[in-house]
Amino acid sequence: GAVVSQHPSWVICKSGTSVKIECRSLDFQATTMFWYRQFPKQSLMLMATSNEGSKATYEQGVEKDKFLINHASLTLSTLTVTSAHPEDSSFYICSARAPGAWDQPQHFGDGTRLSIL
Amino acid sequence: EDQVTQSPEALRLQEGESSSLNCSYTVSGLRGLFWYRQDPGKGPEFLFTLYSAGEEKEKERLKATLTKKESFLHITAPKPEDSATYLCAVQTYKYIFGTGTRLKVLA
Repeated sequence: GAVVSQHPSWVICKSGTSVKIECRSLDFQATTMFWYRQFPKQSLMLMATSNEGSKATYEQGVEKDKFLINHASLTLSTLTVTSAHPEDSSFYICSARAPGAWDQPQHFGDGTRLSIL
Repeated sequence: EDQVTQSPEALRLQEGESSSLNCSYTVSGLRGLFWYRQDPGKGPEFLFTLYSAGEEKEKERLKATLTKKESFLHITAPKPEDSATYLCAVQTYKYIFGTGTRLKVLA
């Protein structure tokens, strides 16, 4: 149980392009999803918290107009990197937490490797 | 400021050589401590949740323990397939990840 699917797993695109990443909870309903960014040999940095039906909460320093998050259903959240540039290249990982107590573990997708040329 | 520190940063073990990974934390209002395993190019895989000091959890060759200031992940008789980065995360009002321990088990 607690499977999270993330798509695509790898994307290469030209500078200036917008890229959408999907995160789905396959076998549970997730009222809260999270988006992280990870640099090589570093830990996960939380970008934003996404709550179903409401606006995402962004961490300090994360541009909300650059990283658009939508959580329109209990099983799907999307991250759109708008007008991507080479400095946006990174490994993006989503996670989901099942409804209930907010001290339950997060379950992670397998990440999206984004390369901007 | 809430802080989570993992040590060592990297660890090389011979197959069968038991050891422990450390996760030290300084946070206000601990709600839970989580251990994850991350393979290269993959997302973290959930291993354990610990909620209170004195609690222990086991799974195959792994055993996690918790005190008021730190958690240990004990690996007994590791195998090469245990090679991965092990991350701990602390839940306060949000999740705070440690920097991880990169474990390499040699055959």
